[in-house]
Amino acid sequence: DMKVTQMPRYLIKRMGENVLLECGQDMSHETMYWYRQDPGLGLQLIYISYDVDSNSEGDIPKGYRVSRKKREHFSLILDSAKTNQTSVYFCASSLRGTGNTLYFGEGSRLIVV
Amino acid sequence: KTQVEQSPQSLVVRQGENCVLQCNYSVTPDNHLRWFKQDTGKGLVSLTVLVDQKDKTSNGRYSATLDKDAKHSTLHITATLLDDTATYICVVADRGSALGRLHFGAGTQLIVIP
Repeated sequence: DMKVTQMPRYLIKRMGENVLLECGQDMSHETMYWYRQDPGLGLQLIYISYDVDSNSEGDIPKGYRVSRKKREHFSLILDSAKTNQTSVYFCASSLRGTGNTLYFGEGSRLIVV
Repeated sequence: KTQVEQSPQSLVVRQGENCVLQCNYSVTPDNHLRWFKQDTGKGLVSLTVLVDQKDKTSNGRYSATLDKDAKHSTLHITATLLDDTATYICVVADRGSALGRLHFGAGTQLIVIP
């Protein structure tokens, strides 16, 4: 059905709590991404995963970690959330190579208070 | 340093009017450029991709151009509809391979009014 699904869509956490954002795709895409989108800025890459257990840091990995144990599932974990991690997080997937289009989820809006 | 600049930042047009969105970039190398549409509260959806040194694409009421010498792209929307209200994001890839990186603009917010 060519879909990227993110859960939860909305989340409020207290500073210091752990956060788990989950992403699934049904296209058997090898590559998956986590981005964050902040007002006035372009999407920033947090982590990229080239396949199961093959993850690389993006441009802003500090404070985040990821897990990919199945090709169709990619998780973003915030250990001890900070207020500056308040953002909208987008998961995306694609066939290998930037020449292929990315398919995006609808985003997970995280507020850290 | 921002490598992809979009203008205008926001734009209001009346339904039925045409509009042009601009994208200037400094990404090197520049393998291809893609335009995405992002409805409010939604994810990005690809509209078109431009690859050649001087390229043009057309997808219904959307048409786009790319000039790699000038590092400049435009997105034209003809006869705008209310559903065209969205943020349009320009993305430049520095390579087409798995080693390539994507550089995102901050977007142009288009509002179409009746």
